[in-house]
Amino acid sequence: DTAVSQTPKYLVTQMGNDKSIKCEQNLGHDTMYWYKQDSKKFLKIMFSYNNKELIINETVPNRFSPKSPDKAHLNLHINSLELGDSAVYFCASSISGGANTGELFFGEGSRLTVL
Amino acid sequence: GENVEQHPSTLSVQEGDSAVIKCTYSDSASNYFPWYKQELGKRPQLIIDIRSNVGEKKDQRIAVTLNKTAKHFSLHITETQPEDSAVYFCAASSNDYKLSFGAGTTVTVRA
Repeated sequence: DTAVSQTPKYLVTQMGNDKSIKCEQNLGHDTMYWYKQDSKKFLKIMFSYNNKELIINETVPNRFSPKSPDKAHLNLHINSLELGDSAVYFCASSISGGANTGELFFGEGSRLTVL
Repeated sequence: GENVEQHPSTLSVQEGDSAVIKCTYSDSASNYFPWYKQELGKRPQLIIDIRSNVGEKKDQRIAVTLNKTAKHFSLHITETQPEDSAVYFCAASSNDYKLSFGAGTTVTVRA
């Protein structure tokens, strides 16, 4: 059983298009995240959610809109894609993100290429 | 917010030698310091972590040390093997739903 699964694994699209990435975790965790990994491998947090509620929005452009229909799912929709959005996007979850922050379990990543 | 700096950015070691990666953090409230390993094309995975009430932790060939006063922590890998080749990330968190990562160290173990 995959603990954190995200789809699709690869996206290739044109500038200006809109795309979505879906993420699901079956670990029963309360907290979910989106991280962006650029070409230099830097892992930067974008959003964190706790029990469906947005906790952290790390100055991400509002073209990026996360949605958490329940605590097991955190989807990412990106409008008007730009070349600089090309990266690997990782979804992750943890038991909690506050006082008992622990291990982050990452999904396999979704490689987005904007042409 | 938290700023984590990591050095070196690349490290090449002979098989069997030790590897040391160092990180510093800026937020004195940070109290959780994990290390992640990312193999090529794979997801980051936790290899060891330490909390601020502990100065050192060891798990087989890997160990982490923490100096809260100086705000730095280090990863030590002994008797390196080819499968240790990967990108290693340090990170820090202060219970604020945000784990901040260092820029990563690419470790290459030469056979």
